Amino acid sequence: NAGVMQNPRHLVRRRGQEARLRCSPMKGHSHVYWYRQLPEEGLKFMVYLQKENIIDESGMPKERFSAEFPKEGPSILRIQQVVRGDSAAYFCASSPAAGSGNTIYFGEGSWLTVV
Amino acid sequence: TQLLEQSPQFLSIQEGENLTVYCNSSSVFSSLQWYRQEPGEGPVLLVTVVTGGEVKKLKRLTFQFGDARKDSSLHITAAQPGDTGLYLCAGVPSGTYKYIFGTGTRLKVLA
Repeated sequence: NAGVMQNPRHLVRRRGQEARLRCSPMKGHSHVYWYRQLPEEGLKFMVYLQKENIIDESGMPKERFSAEFPKEGPSILRIQQVVRGDSAAYFCASSPAAGSGNTIYFGEGSWLTVV
Repeated sequence: TQLLEQSPQFLSIQEGENLTVYCNSSSVFSSLQWYRQEPGEGPVLLVTVVTGGEVKKLKRLTFQFGDARKDSSLHITAAQPGDTGLYLCAGVPSGTYKYIFGTGTRLKVLA
């Protein structure tokens, strides 16, 4: 996990508020993945980004969720108007390049609780 | 939909027992990774297997990649309570770029 930094580690939001989760990839990595993990479940792919590009967002809910990975700064996963069902752990991972030859490395996760 | 099915889903064993976790798919993978995740933490990479038929050992853990590169197994010898956690296989199906995860195996080793 060393190197992929996520913050905040824990976030509490009231229903209807916005949640912003940040991920700084490992040094030299230009590919970022976001996954969601519900309690007692596995990791579900949400979105895959390269710098300034969304490559695959097929796992993202169509509404309220968005992600970006700007040229400078961390990747941001944004959830608008949060609902209780958004409560989950959100993991970011990074890799140096895409494709089957590259292992991805995870951050410690951000735990979102919607009250 | 490309899936990685893991079995068993849940496993509770006594300290000292052996166990095997399976990861199966209908897709071919050029490599597979195994991760372990403990509560409140992110997945930690255990091993990457690349070659069909490859066997890798990590202390009491033995990982095998199927000859056809569609499946993998993790065998733990003489399990210890410290092995408790969620074990996940993962990889990128050949011809794609999406990194997918298995359904997970929750292991509990009782002292």
